[in-house]
Amino acid sequence: AQSVTQLGSHVSVSEGALVLLRCNYSSSVPPYLFWYVQYPNQGLQLLLKYTSAATLVKGINGFEAEFKKSETSFHLTKPSAHMSDAAEYFCAVTWISSGSARQLTFGSGTQLTVLP
Amino acid sequence: DAGVTQSPTHLIKTRGQQVTLRCSPISGHKSVSWYQQVLGQGPQFIFQYYEKEERGRGNFPDRFSARQFPNYSSELNVNALLLGDSALYLCASSLQGDTEAFFGQGTRLTVV
Repeated sequence: AQSVTQLGSHVSVSEGALVLLRCNYSSSVPPYLFWYVQYPNQGLQLLLKYTSAATLVKGINGFEAEFKKSETSFHLTKPSAHMSDAAEYFCAVTWISSGSARQLTFGSGTQLTVLP
Repeated sequence: DAGVTQSPTHLIKTRGQQVTLRCSPISGHKSVSWYQQVLGQGPQFIFQYYEKEERGRGNFPDRFSARQFPNYSSELNVNALLLGDSALYLCASSLQGDTEAFFGQGTRLTVV
């Protein structure tokens, strides 16, 4: 079984400050991990993914995440927040079996507010 | 290039009615998945189809069904609608063997 826990349903940062969104996972098999962003009334956009290559993953819009197996974590960071980063962020986990990705299991989301 | 397209974007139904939601995947993608996102929560997996066969099913009642057509488009059908079925329904497509799922804009279903 797999699960994802996102610590903090709401996070507020000042523009220009560090963004840190926390994600911990539980998986009985080696996981594939993702961060998605969702703007109001829109679908999900992939920010970055970990697929067992480099543990530090760089994504779009200056975001990055580090896979730490010992801590079962995949926290999302951005050095300097921009007003346009305000959105809801979802961490998700899946696994690969027989060459095809299985269903994504999502966390409950973290709403990021960027203060001017 | 067209992304994943879903129709309709919004609809309102009455309790007990039936609804069909449609999804067209990105050209060349053979796998389609459906997710339900209730307000304030993360998406929940409903179905995955690949090459017109069901590959996975989430913990949803039998009122939920889906199918995939030869052109890889898909329909999600929900019977006997309940108020709790009100949600954003997301469709995602992916290539076989690929780890990345591309999501559509979703269909906002309101049951009154």
